[in-house]
Amino acid sequence: AQSVTQPDIHITVSEGASLELRCNYSYGATPYLFWYVQSPGQGLQLLLKYFSGDTLVQGIKGFEAEFKRSQSSFNLRKPSVHWSDAAEYFCAIRGASKIIFGSGTRLSIRP
Amino acid sequence: DGGITQSPKYLFRKEGQNVTLSCEQNLNHDAMYWYRQDPGQGLRLIYYSQIVNDFQKGDIAEGYSVSREKKESFPLTVTSAQKNPTAFYLCASTTTGASDTEAFFGQGTRLTVV
Repeated sequence: AQSVTQPDIHITVSEGASLELRCNYSYGATPYLFWYVQSPGQGLQLLLKYFSGDTLVQGIKGFEAEFKRSQSSFNLRKPSVHWSDAAEYFCAIRGASKIIFGSGTRLSIRP
Repeated sequence: DGGITQSPKYLFRKEGQNVTLSCEQNLNHDAMYWYRQDPGQGLRLIYYSQIVNDFQKGDIAEGYSVSREKKESFPLTVTSAQKNPTAFYLCASTTTGASDTEAFFGQGTRLTVV
């Protein structure tokens, strides 16, 4: 069965510090993977996506993610966070007919 | 500009009433989806449709109904059978045929039972 796991419910980092949000997936074939960000009361915005090729993908707002097939992971990273990065982050996988989301990680930024 | 429009942004329902949430897209996408979002539970799939006049139940379809009479529109009705309808509802759309495209989302409708 397809599934996405985000083990961290809530993470707090200091402004300027580095960030890594974890995502693990379960899928029987080559996955199509996404990271989305959501501000309170808003829809979801795509940060980046992986379909094939280079396993390190670059996204908007300075985010990147690395696909590791051996670990079934697609972790999101940012070298230096800004207060405006505070939001909820969702990892997702696209199957044959639907898109499945993880439960999300809420990111707080410490001044 | 192409996009997905959900209306209304806020909706209040009395217990025992049915309400319909609107979702319209002008992206020429074949597939459309409805998700429910509750704090700490991520996005849970209610219904999805890959083609006009056809739709499938997602993980939490009980108490909800949909229709897909036009490619652009995928309204969701929250019926009185839905015991806990207060939530944030998100509509999304994608292309079909190839999985290498992302979902585009509307801005959501917050439904509150009063």
